[in-house]
Amino acid sequence: KAGVTQTPRYLIKTRGQQVTLSCSPISGHRSVSWYQQTPGQGLQFLFEYFSETQRNKGNFPGRFSGRQFSNSRSEMNVSTLELGDSALYLCASSLRGGWLFGPGTRLTVL
Amino acid sequence: AQTVTQSQPEMSVQEAETVTLSCTYDTSESDYYLFWYKQPPSRQMILVIRQEAYKQQNATENRFSVNFQKAAKSFSLKISDSQLGDAAMYFCAYRTMYSGGGADGLTFGKGTHLIIQP
Repeated sequence: KAGVTQTPRYLIKTRGQQVTLSCSPISGHRSVSWYQQTPGQGLQFLFEYFSETQRNKGNFPGRFSGRQFSNSRSEMNVSTLELGDSALYLCASSLRGGWLFGPGTRLTVL
Repeated sequence: AQTVTQSQPEMSVQEAETVTLSCTYDTSESDYYLFWYKQPPSRQMILVIRQEAYKQQNATENRFSVNFQKAAKSFSLKISDSQLGDAAMYFCAYRTMYSGGGADGLTFGKGTHLIIQP
């Protein structure tokens, strides 16, 4: 069974631009969650989706948004990028409580 | 809010020896999951082991085992017969068993950098 996939793997943007990251969960997994990893703040929860509904949201500004499609694929969007948004963005999917991660998208904001 | 504390920023062990990584957490809930994840230099986050709080038996996965002390809110990871491929950052994580309403998701510790000396 294929693992969690994330695209793109690397992204370079400039301040003020917006970006969309994609996550395809493991087949059969309906829960998807997103995390931001930075050297200073560590791993922080962004949001979680189940059956196209946002179930939980972390403490991030409204510039960060996401959605989930009927096939469980998920996207997250960051508008008006700031330098501090440079990070590794990780997506994870779960079937029964065991959260498995994708390889991440490395976002660099210049 | 739940917190997860890993008090050892870095640990070093000789190849083939045993090492224990510490993790404590704070929660007022009774039903939850605890996890250990491994993140090698590739940055891929790999699930090492999972423990459900209602299970008294400690989880094991081959050379990896945990010591789960619910009353003490402690969840340590023991790696036996350490191998060079075990070198990585190890993260302890907590998650409530019941989702919905509020900032759930996984709460991670700051991580322990494990060095394996040949």
